[in-house]
Amino acid sequence: EAGVTQFPSHSVIEKGQTVTLRCDPISGHDNLYWYRRVMGKEIKFLLHFVKESKQDESGMPNNRFLAERTGGTYSTLKVQPAELEDSGVYFCASSQGTSGYARIKETQYFGPGTRLLVL
Amino acid sequence: KNEVEQSPQNLTAQEGEFITINCSYSVGISALHWLQQHPGGGIVSLFMLSSGKKKHGRLIATINIQEKHSSLHITASHPRDSAVYICAVRVYYGGATNKLIFGTGTLLAVQP
Repeated sequence: EAGVTQFPSHSVIEKGQTVTLRCDPISGHDNLYWYRRVMGKEIKFLLHFVKESKQDESGMPNNRFLAERTGGTYSTLKVQPAELEDSGVYFCASSQGTSGYARIKETQYFGPGTRLLVL
Repeated sequence: KNEVEQSPQNLTAQEGEFITINCSYSVGISALHWLQQHPGGGIVSLFMLSSGKKKHGRLIATINIQEKHSSLHITASHPRDSAVYICAVRVYYGGATNKLIFGTGTLLAVQP
């Protein structure tokens, strides 16, 4: 079974440009999470989808970030326009269950991350 | 101050040594995760704990809910154990999202 995949693995863009990151969760996983690690800091939560709905987007830094999960399968995270401080590694994770109790007992499976560098 | 603190931040050990990495947290949690990331690699979940102790091969994870503390132990360490070990806690908001809050990680280098 394929794991969580992310595309691209690396992206180098200039300040002001737009970048779209993609995450394909494990097939059948309803929960999809986006996280990021900026240089020298801990990994931080960005948002959580349950199927196509945003369950929690409290970690989204500002309105330059837009996440979508149309159809409840893969997700995209768009940064527009990108700023220098957006550089970091963006991780996606998925887990299976839908109910609150089931969710707390689940392992999240992480993708390899997308390394974003904004120059 | 981060809600999840790990120590040490960096650790160098000789092959065969017993290693302990500590994690303390200040929030109420539903579970605690230990994750591993090899250089240039993705993140792998090692353990998820809500109480007691778990063992997998040479890895042992313990948690004390009352003291809000967890430890990850590696017995008979090997150079292939060299990686960043990350502690993350799952904060439960009564059925809402169960987002993870991460520590900064411990960089472990095991020398042959």
